[in-house]
Amino acid sequence: GAVVSQHPSRVICKSGTSVKIECRSLDFQATTMFWYRQFPKKSLMLMATSNEGSKATYEQGVEKDKFLINHASLTLSTLTVTSAHPEDSSFYICSARGGRSGENYGYTFGSGTRLTVV
Amino acid sequence: AQKITQTQPGMFVQEKEAVTLDCTYDTSDPSYGLFWYKQPSSGEMIFLIYQGSYDQQNATEGRYSLNFQKARKSANLVISASQLGDSAMYFCAMRGHSFGNEKLTFGTGTRLTIIP
Repeated sequence: GAVVSQHPSRVICKSGTSVKIECRSLDFQATTMFWYRQFPKKSLMLMATSNEGSKATYEQGVEKDKFLINHASLTLSTLTVTSAHPEDSSFYICSARGGRSGENYGYTFGSGTRLTVV
Repeated sequence: AQKITQTQPGMFVQEKEAVTLDCTYDTSDPSYGLFWYKQPSSGEMIFLIYQGSYDQQNATEGRYSLNFQKARKSANLVISASQLGDSAMYFCAMRGHSFGNEKLTFGTGTRLTIIP
């Protein structure tokens, strides 16, 4: 079935550094990638939507210069948290649109990345 | 705009009993889809069941069924014969079908704990 591989699953970084999170669709072309952020015991909040080859559309209140999203190919989308600070610590998860018709009804999630900024 | 409301932050249910998780929604789209996901402590989002707004019958997937009441704008998840492994967070979500409205909007979730 459709699989989205998300790496890393966990990352600890120092304050001020940048962290890149990758999501790869393994056996289908992801025309659209959604990036979510989830605080502990909270819901998933959409950060941005990216379509292959075009600029990402960010949700209101999300700093586009801080959370850089690249969707350079139909199988790879990346989220880079630039100059990370402790308040950026969170669970980040991607969701890809595409794949075989009907599978997961079109949405395949990565396994998530737990980011801790110290 | 789309909105999903889950009013049960937590539920405790005895093993083998049935459980209903509530979900109400609001949307201006004439056509939409409703989803339920399970999120265990590992964080992955596990797709459980889907209901299209024009589907005539309520969706069922094994022990999961969706009680879809369109007039009331509710899409409750029913889990029959609950098991210890059902303990997790459960999220209701919806998507519109209009152009540019493919994103999933999630509710705040319900933490389900199955008691042995």
